[in-house]
Amino acid sequence: NAGVTQTPKFRILKIGQSMTLQCTQDMNHNYMYWYRQDPGMGLKLIYYSVGAGITDKGEVPNGYNVSRSTTEDFPLRLELAAPSQTSVYFCASSYQGAGGFYNEQFFGPGTRLTVL
Amino acid sequence: KQEVTQIPAALSVPEGENLVLNCSFTDSAIYNLQWFRQDPGKGLTSLLLIQSSQREQTSGRLNASLDKSSGRSTLYIAASQPGDSATYLCAVRDRSGGGADGLTFGKGTHLIIQP
Repeated sequence: NAGVTQTPKFRILKIGQSMTLQCTQDMNHNYMYWYRQDPGMGLKLIYYSVGAGITDKGEVPNGYNVSRSTTEDFPLRLELAAPSQTSVYFCASSYQGAGGFYNEQFFGPGTRLTVL
Repeated sequence: KQEVTQIPAALSVPEGENLVLNCSFTDSAIYNLQWFRQDPGKGLTSLLLIQSSQREQTSGRLNASLDKSSGRSTLYIAASQPGDSATYLCAVRDRSGGGADGLTFGKGTHLIIQP
C-alpha cells in the first residue's frame, strides 16, 4: 500500500490565485482529514470527512473548501490565496468501525505552500 | 477547549541515555492519545496509540503511558540512538463536543541525540 499520498510537494502561489491540494489514500479508510502546520505551532484541523459525500468544518476552515466524492480522494481547495495561508498542509486518514474505538490516523508527506 | 502541552520544548542528550517526554491535556474526556514522530521536512509517523481505557502501550524501545484522570501521558525512549533525533508530537482525540472530529496537537518536543 502507498498509504496516504499528497500532491504537489511544493507550490508557490501569488495572492488571489486558486489551487487544489490533492490527497489520496489506498487503505479503504472512511475518515479523512486536512490539517495545517505553522512554524512553532501544533497542527490545526481544517476540514474532515467521515465518508464519501460527507464533510464538516474543523477549527480553521475559513478560506478553504473540500469535497469527498470517493472513499479514496479528499481534495482541499484554496479559492483566493492569502499570505496567511502560507503553511504546510497534511492530509490524514483513519478507519472508524462500529464499537466506539477511534483508530490511529495515518498522515501523508505534506504540501509546503507559500503565498506571495 | 482542549489544550495539549508538551514539555520540554527541546531536549539534547548523549546517545544511550533513557529519556522521558511529557504531554499534558486539559480535558480528560478523551477517546485516545497518539504519539507521532516528525523528521525535518517530512510527514508524521505514528508511533503509539493509547485508547482511553488503556494505561500503556509498548513498541520496541518505546513505551507510552496514559493517566487520563490527571491529564498526562509520557513517552519513554530506552537506550536512545542518534536515529531517534526528531520532533515528537502528542495528540488527543477528545469528546469535548466542539463539533470537530479530529486530533488536538501539542507543539512538540524537539529531540537531539548526540553521538
